[in-house]
This record gives sequence, structure tokens and C-alpha cells, in this order.
Amino acid sequence: AQSVTQLGSHVSVSEGALVLLRCNYSSSVPPYLFWYVQYPNQGLQLLLKYTTGATLVKGINGFEAEFKKSETSFHLTKPSAHMSDAAEYFCAVMGAAGNKLTFGGGTRVLVKP
Amino acid sequence: ETGVTQSPTHLIKTRGQQVTLRCSSQSGHNTVSWYQQALGQGPQFIFQYYREEENGRGNFPPRFSGLQFPNYSSELNVNALELDDSALYLCASSEDWTSNTGELFFGEGSRLTVL
Repeated sequence: AQSVTQLGSHVSVSEGALVLLRCNYSSSVPPYLFWYVQYPNQGLQLLLKYTTGATLVKGINGFEAEFKKSETSFHLTKPSAHMSDAAEYFCAVMGAAGNKLTFGGGTRVLVKP
Repeated sequence: ETGVTQSPTHLIKTRGQQVTLRCSSQSGHNTVSWYQQALGQGPQFIFQYYREEENGRGNFPPRFSGLQFPNYSSELNVNALELDDSALYLCASSEDWTSNTGELFFGEGSRLTVL
């Protein structure tokens, strides 16, 4: 069974500052890992995903994440926060069966001017 | 190409009633998954349909049921509604799940309130 833990349900950053969202997972098989973003009253949009290959993954809107197997982590970063980054972010894992995503509890990002 | 569309966007029901939520998958996608997102939580997997057959189910009781139609659109039915069923219900479509790319395309959800 897979599980995902996101450290920090809320993160507040200043505009222009680094955004760092933490995600740790457990999986009995090599995982596929995802970050999704959810804006208010909307569905989820894929930011980036890791399946195989390069462990540093670049996504949309300047976000990137690094898969670290030894730490079972997949933290999301963005060098410089923008007001439009205010949203909720979800880390998710998909196991070998490939038929479901297991999501973390989410981290809400607030960007201060 | 059209994205994933869900209807209705909002609805209010009372305990014990039944509800049907609908989802049209993205063009070219034959796999539909349903997720329940309670307020302040991450989405929870309800079930997946692939070529009109259920292809995996999460930890939800049998009163949660679904259908997938030949055009790959889908319905989620919930019987005997309980207060805890109040949530955002998300539909997601994907290419043939056996390709295992893992990428899901989500609709904007149907927000159900049970009074």
C-alpha cells in the first residue's frame, strides 16, 4: 500500500521568496510521483510528475521537484514565488497497479506581497 | 480537444436521498476515475472504470456505485446519503490505464452538500 505525507498544511511566503513544499511517500514498489495544484473552486491541475529517469523534474509555472529514493521524498520547489502561486498543492503517488493515485493531505500556500 | 466536464457543479440533498453525478471524459480517454475530496483534505480514490468495467475500488461502501458508458462518459451514484458524504467529487480521465503514464486530467468537480 502507498501513503503520502505532506509536512505543513499551510505555508506562507513572501513574493519573490523560495517556495519549498515537502512530501514523503511510502511505497512497496518503485513509485510514480506527482504534484498537483488546486486553485479555489477548481479541479486539480498537474504540475509535474516523476516516472523513471532523471530525478530532477521540471514542471509548469517554474516549479521543479527532486526524487530522492534514499529519503523517500519528492519535495517541490520554486525559486521565486509569485502572487499567482497562491493555491493548494497536493503530492500523490501511484503504485504498480496503475489504477489509482494516493494523495497527501495538501499544503495551502499563501503569498504575501 | 475538450477537457473533462462534470455536472452538476453544486447540489444540495438531504440525508437518505440518492444522488447521481455525471462526467464526460476528455477526448481520446477510455479510463475514468472518481475521487472524493472532503473539506480540507486530499482527494480519496473511490473507483476507476476502464472500458465500461470497474477496474479498482477504494475503501468506500457499496452504496457508492458507478457506470461507464460506451462513449466513456461516467456516472457516480450514491444511495442513502449521509452527512459525511458532503464533499467535492472529482472525476478524472486518462488514456488507457494499462499504458501506466499515471497522468490524470481532472474536472472541476461537483460539490455535494448533505443536510
